[in-house]
Amino acid sequence: QVQLVQSGAEVKKPGASVKVSCKASGYTFTNNFMHWVRQAPGQGLEWMGILNPSGGTPTYAQKFEGRVTMNSDTSKSTVYMEVSSLRSEDTAVYYCAKDSDHNALDIWGQGTKVTVSA
Amino acid sequence: DIQMTQSPSSLSASVGDRVTITCRASQSISRYLNWYQQKPGKAPNLLIYAASSLQSGVPSRFSGSGSGTDFILTISSLQPEDFATYYCQQTDSPTFTFGQGTELEI
Repeated sequence: QVQLVQSGAEVKKPGASVKVSCKASGYTFTNNFMHWVRQAPGQGLEWMGILNPSGGTPTYAQKFEGRVTMNSDTSKSTVYMEVSSLRSEDTAVYYCAKDSDHNALDIWGQGTKVTVSA
Repeated sequence: DIQMTQSPSSLSASVGDRVTITCRASQSISRYLNWYQQKPGKAPNLLIYAASSLQSGVPSRFSGSGSGTDFILTISSLQPEDFATYYCQQTDSPTFTFGQGTELEI
């Protein structure tokens, strides 16, 4: 079945970087774009950006431009999302989600909890 | 960025009730509007895409309507498993924003 499996929880200090991975299976990896979404504790969903696993320039939400990098490794059917210059407000669960054929997020990873604390 | 505003922010209802949740876009987004359900500690689940198309496997008591700037999610007869938080999302602009969410409580 179609599945997205994300890397495990991370604890980072302010100013550090974190890289989260998302491995896809059960479908042709390069056929569908991938999104990243985050959710701070007790808060709503925040769309971060989208990338084409085949290549090209990702599109980022304005808030994350310059601090977030998304890329992919087609040989591993895996996408990556890196956040640099972490601050406490980046503490959140980060999700990858597959784009359907209808511009909707139809399959989600299990989420990766990132905690930023001194 | 296009802003998405949901109302109400929270809603109390009972099993069997008909419930509607509204989502308003800050500019026209045609029918590029999706609805998701999220339960505590879980990833969101796609319910409706393109404003009114039911995602495969989603019960038919869920329906969506609207176009332009105003959209509605309707649950025709609430079931116990429907108590959750609901989000709309626009996918018209290159950046896809979510509404702030509507918490549906018993």
